Amino acid sequence: GAVVSQHPSWVICKSGTSVKIECRSLDFQATTMFWYRQFPKQSLMLMATSNEGSKATYEQGVEKDKFLINHASLTLSTLTVTSAHPEDSSFYICSAPGYGGSYNEQFFGPGTRLTVL
Amino acid sequence: SQQGEEDPQALSIQEGENATMNCSYKTSINNLQWYRQNSGRGLVHLILIRSNEREKHSGRLRVTLDTSKKSSSLLITASRAADTASYFCATFASKLTFGTGTRLQVTL
Repeated sequence: GAVVSQHPSWVICKSGTSVKIECRSLDFQATTMFWYRQFPKQSLMLMATSNEGSKATYEQGVEKDKFLINHASLTLSTLTVTSAHPEDSSFYICSAPGYGGSYNEQFFGPGTRLTVL
Repeated sequence: SQQGEEDPQALSIQEGENATMNCSYKTSINNLQWYRQNSGRGLVHLILIRSNEREKHSGRLRVTLDTSKKSSSLLITASRAADTASYFCATFASKLTFGTGTRLQVTL
């Protein structure tokens, strides 16, 4: 099946710094990728839709200047958490749709655990 | 707000027993999907059921969908310790929206 990787798997940073998270589709191309955020023992909340060649679409309440998304190629999307604060500490997960587009199953990366001190 | 509410929030059963999880949602959907998440990991797609389907099977999994009641259920038969995980329903309309999840614990 399709494989999505994320890097890093975990990161600890100081408050005020920026952190970049990469999401790669390893054996397929993805013109669209999705970024989710998950707090402990809670569900996934869609943050934004990453579109190759165009601007990302952000969900209501998500600050686009805080969470910068760049879909650099058909296999790579990056999420940069700018000026991170402790409340940004969370589990960030990306996904890419399989054959048939967003309508069908999503392939998820293993997630990135961000801890802001 | 989240699309789906799942019930129960947590479920503990013994190996060999069946596990049933329920999902309710609020608006019209194109399809409903079930995903599994092991602790601290990404999600794995289990099964997709379209809005015009009522029941679907995959191995030990059985999913039902009742669009009139806006609800779905996931049945795992003959559970194994390795089935221990969180299970999420996700509805697709214009985007995929996840439910609150059920934490399943299968003990030996």
